[in-house]
Amino acid sequence: GQNIDQPTEMTATEGAIVQINCTYQTSGFNGLFWYQQHAGEAPTFLSYNVLDGLEEKGRFSSFLSRSKGYSYLLLKELQMKDSASYLCAVKDSNYQLIWGAGTKLIIKP
Amino acid sequence: IAGITQAPTSQILAAGRRMTLRCTQDMRHNAMYWYRQDLGLGLRLIHYSNTAGTTGKGEVPDGYSVSRANTDDFPLTLASAVPSQTSVYFCASTQRADSDTQYFGPGTRLTVL
Repeated sequence: GQNIDQPTEMTATEGAIVQINCTYQTSGFNGLFWYQQHAGEAPTFLSYNVLDGLEEKGRFSSFLSRSKGYSYLLLKELQMKDSASYLCAVKDSNYQLIWGAGTKLIIKP
Repeated sequence: IAGITQAPTSQILAAGRRMTLRCTQDMRHNAMYWYRQDLGLGLRLIHYSNTAGTTGKGEVPDGYSVSRANTDDFPLTLASAVPSQTSVYFCASTQRADSDTQYFGPGTRLTVL
């Protein structure tokens, strides 16, 4: 079966750095996505990785290792507005997105 | 306003009733999707459409039907609602099925009693 695993909840301090991990087992791979979802709102796109390595976009970076079936999202200089759920998703061989359950990130002052 | 709209925002429905959730996008995207999101579970694909005139079944299609008469609209119908269909429903679209990014509508919160 297809499976995406990520931690259910993480807590971090304002101004710090946090790394959210995602491991996956899917039938085929056509890219890995990270989305941010604030409570009661729709998911919004953060990053896309299809090749191994690190993609940096401002305070957010995403890393992919296809051989290990592993990705992480790195958030630097945490702000209170970063409190949200972070969703990992993999596009499979049929170009459908398989979603993890999401990681709820709590930022404390 | 460019983007995806969904209606209604929320709805309480008696079991056994028929309900259509509406989704419209003005980005001329070819591919559209319906997901449901339940607490503790990832987004699950209900139905999708890679282009106007075609539809396909996702992971959890039972009890739902869709149509894609044109590029912009992708309604989701519950023929006879059951309490297990209580969920938040998101419509999404992307330029092509193999494109990078899916864009989401604001969601419809549906409660079936």
